[in-house]
Amino acid sequence: NAGVMQNPRHLVRRRGQEARLRCSPMKGHSHVYWYRQLPEEGLKFMVYLQKENIIDESGMPKERFSAEFPKEGPSILRIQQVVRGDSAAYFCASSRDSNEKLFFGSGTQLSVL
Amino acid sequence: KQEVTQIPAALSVPEGENLVLNCSFTDSAIYNLQWFRQDPGKGLTSLLLIQSSQREQTSGRLNASLDKSSGRSTLYIAASQPGDSATYLCAVRRGGNTGKLIFGQGTTLQVKP
Repeated sequence: NAGVMQNPRHLVRRRGQEARLRCSPMKGHSHVYWYRQLPEEGLKFMVYLQKENIIDESGMPKERFSAEFPKEGPSILRIQQVVRGDSAAYFCASSRDSNEKLFFGSGTQLSVL
Repeated sequence: KQEVTQIPAALSVPEGENLVLNCSFTDSAIYNLQWFRQDPGKGLTSLLLIQSSQREQTSGRLNASLDKSSGRSTLYIAASQPGDSATYLCAVRRGGNTGKLIFGQGTTLQVKP
């Protein structure tokens, strides 16, 4: 049973470009969460999705960031017009149900030049 | 506003020692609490999850306790090994309809052979 798969592992973008981060949850998991870990800071919640629905996006910046979890395929975190401050490790997690353990992927390290 | 604090920030012990990591939270209205370990450059591995109605959970050499009324949780590691060296994070979840885990800053543990 593969764990939570995130790709790419490392992503380098220039300022103004778009970044697309992908997350495939564990088999049987329909709840997906995105977190961000800035250098020297703790993990911060961004968004919680179930298939085709955003349940809680209270941690998402209002502009340039969006997330989706379509009926088929991985969850995508999209960052438009990236800036240097977006450089961070982005972690995806999944769970079978809302009250069960979250399992995290290995993360995508985004570097904005 | 929920805040999660972990003390100490770093801990170094000789192999074989039993040790306790502490986590405190300011708002006792939590849904559950989860302990993770994070190895350098990697994602989080879920260790134990305690529901708000539970007092403790055990897995192998690990035991986590929860005292909701005092806003505290401890992670007890028995007979520590060098392979236990990692950063340990605790996180509280406020409700089932939010994916928002509030993380502590972590305790970085080093177990010396």
